[in-house]
Amino acid sequence: AQTVTQSQPEMSVQEAETVTLSCTYDTSESDYYLFWYKQPPSRQMILVIRQEAYKQQNATENRFSVNFQKAAKSFSLKISDSQLGDAAMYFCAYRSLYSGAGSYQLTFGKGTKLSVIP
Amino acid sequence: AAGVIQSPRHLIKEKRETATLKCYPIPRHDTVYWYQQGPGQDPQFLISFYEKMQSDKGSIPDRFSAQQFSDYHSELNMSSLELGDSALYFCASSASGGASYEQYFGPGTRLTVT
Repeated sequence: AQTVTQSQPEMSVQEAETVTLSCTYDTSESDYYLFWYKQPPSRQMILVIRQEAYKQQNATENRFSVNFQKAAKSFSLKISDSQLGDAAMYFCAYRSLYSGAGSYQLTFGKGTKLSVIP
Repeated sequence: AAGVIQSPRHLIKEKRETATLKCYPIPRHDTVYWYQQGPGQDPQFLISFYEKMQSDKGSIPDRFSAQQFSDYHSELNMSSLELGDSALYFCASSASGGASYEQYFGPGTRLTVT
């Protein structure tokens, strides 16, 4: 079974600064997907960014980018030019690429609560 | 764009009662996932359906059952409710049996058991 670990329960960043959230995972699979989800106070789960393990290039979405280190099984999220609206709980998630049973359930980490200081 | 719809958004039940949560996936999505998120916890996978058949099962109690109907909407039935069932229940949908990498989450149903 896969596990996802987020070692930072809480983090804070000054507005307009950069912050990096850490995530490590454990798997015996060679191909998989990794995701970062944002959960603001509304509790809606919002996909921030995804990374396919077979791609060496790190994913980028506007101010959000990842540092994917496959050998180290590390998947960190960098938020640049932090904004007040970035304040939320951030979850790292893992999904298998292939599923014999046809299910692609997400396995989440415990989350990191990000506060943005004006 | 249409999103995943969940109803009701809030539900209050007493212990030992029964609850039914509904999920309406994005049009043309054939796969539905249910997740349970307890207070201060990460979402935990409960069960999934593909083309109206159960495709996988996670940490779903025997008191819970679910199904996917011909119009692809899904219902999660919860019986003999316990205080520990109080949580946010998410439904997510995806296309192509889930091979499409992205799961789209609904807003969740907040269940409170008193």
